[in-house]
Amino acid sequence: GAVVSQHPSWVICKSGTSVKIECRSLDFQATTMFWYRQFPKQSLMLMATSNEGSKATYEQGVEKDKFLINHASLTLSTLTVTSAHPEDSSFYICSARVPGGKYSNQPQHFGDGTRLSIL
Amino acid sequence: QQQVKQSPQSLIVQKGGISIINCAYENTAFDYFPWYQQFPGKGPALLIAIRPDVSEKKEGRFTISFNKSAKQFSLHIMDSQPGDSATYFCAASRRGGKLIFGQGTELSVKP
Repeated sequence: GAVVSQHPSWVICKSGTSVKIECRSLDFQATTMFWYRQFPKQSLMLMATSNEGSKATYEQGVEKDKFLINHASLTLSTLTVTSAHPEDSSFYICSARVPGGKYSNQPQHFGDGTRLSIL
Repeated sequence: QQQVKQSPQSLIVQKGGISIINCAYENTAFDYFPWYQQFPGKGPALLIAIRPDVSEKKEGRFTISFNKSAKQFSLHIMDSQPGDSATYFCAASRRGGKLIFGQGTELSVKP
């Protein structure tokens, strides 16, 4: 249980285009999802916290207008990288927090990430 | 005070040996300490987690040791196998809060 699916797994696009990444919780409802960015051989950097039905909370230094987050349902959050440029190339990973009850408290389960390459 | 410091950065262990990764934190409000395993090109997978009311938790070959007074916790991998070769991240969070990750440890288990 507690599966998080992320799509697409890899995307290559031209500079200036916008890219949407989807994050779905498959077998549980996630009121809170998180978006991370990871550079090679580095740790995960939290970009924003996505709450269902409300605006995302962005970490300091993350451009809200550049990285649009929508959490329209309890099982889906999307990250749109607008007007992407080569410096936006990275590994983007989402996670969803499992609510208390069936699973142990507070665990976050991660998707398999999206490798974004901007040419 | 929000940092979680992880060491070593990289670790090479022979097959069958014990891998030990250490983490230290400063924020005494943290109450949840998970370890994640990440293979190249994949997202992190939750391995094992502990709360500060216990000093040790074991799941199969993986054990977390927790020292609340020293604000340190460690992951022990017994009988390490080549398939355990991956990057391991410790993390910490307050109840309902965001995860603070360590810097990661790249483990290589040699056959």
